[in-house]
Amino acid sequence: GAVVSQHPSRVICKSGTSVKIECRSLDFQATTMFWYRQFPKQSLMLMATSNEGSKATYEQGVEKDKFLINHASLTLSTLTVTSAHPEDSSFYICSASKDLNTEAFFGQGTRLTVV
Amino acid sequence: RKEVEQDPGPFNVPEGATVAFNCTYSNSASQSFFWYRQDCRKEPKLLMSVYSSGNEDGRFTAQLNRASQYISLLIRDSKLSDSATYLCVDRPKGNQFYFGTGTSLTVIP
Repeated sequence: GAVVSQHPSRVICKSGTSVKIECRSLDFQATTMFWYRQFPKQSLMLMATSNEGSKATYEQGVEKDKFLINHASLTLSTLTVTSAHPEDSSFYICSASKDLNTEAFFGQGTRLTVV
Repeated sequence: RKEVEQDPGPFNVPEGATVAFNCTYSNSASQSFFWYRQDCRKEPKLLMSVYSSGNEDGRFTAQLNRASQYISLLIRDSKLSDSATYLCVDRPKGNQFYFGTGTSLTVIP
């Protein structure tokens, strides 16, 4: 399958700082990238859908000013958690899809811990 | 109503058993469906796509029932390594992916 790389895999930051997570499709161009959050023993929660060159579409209840998404190219999307707080600690996963009806491939995930 | 609903389980089955999971979807116009597998603290990985005519990959069989709006996954001859959470996915439109909450499977020696 296609390869999606997510970086960093693990990050610890202080409250009030911002953290940027990168998601890259390595061997294909991703028209759409998705960002998810997953708390322990819970299901994936879609945060936003990111299309190259346009604004991301956020799911209800997700603050767009807190979770900044930039999809600057067909192979890169970034998620910035601004002014992080301990309750933002979670597993963040991105996925990318080649086109409109095919499967999505996931990055390895980023485990964020805010202290 | 959620777009995709799954029985969270857990399913605990002995090695060699056959186990089946169902997943219902709400959008009758949905065309694309998938099963993913997620191991603890890892990202989901595609297990198989679900085709209208049903499809099989080794010990895994996926079925789609449009009339009742559900998809199923059958695992035959369960192995210890099959222990994971299985996620069904509905992709009704191009820019939407809806995941079920996942079904937890533990295969017991």
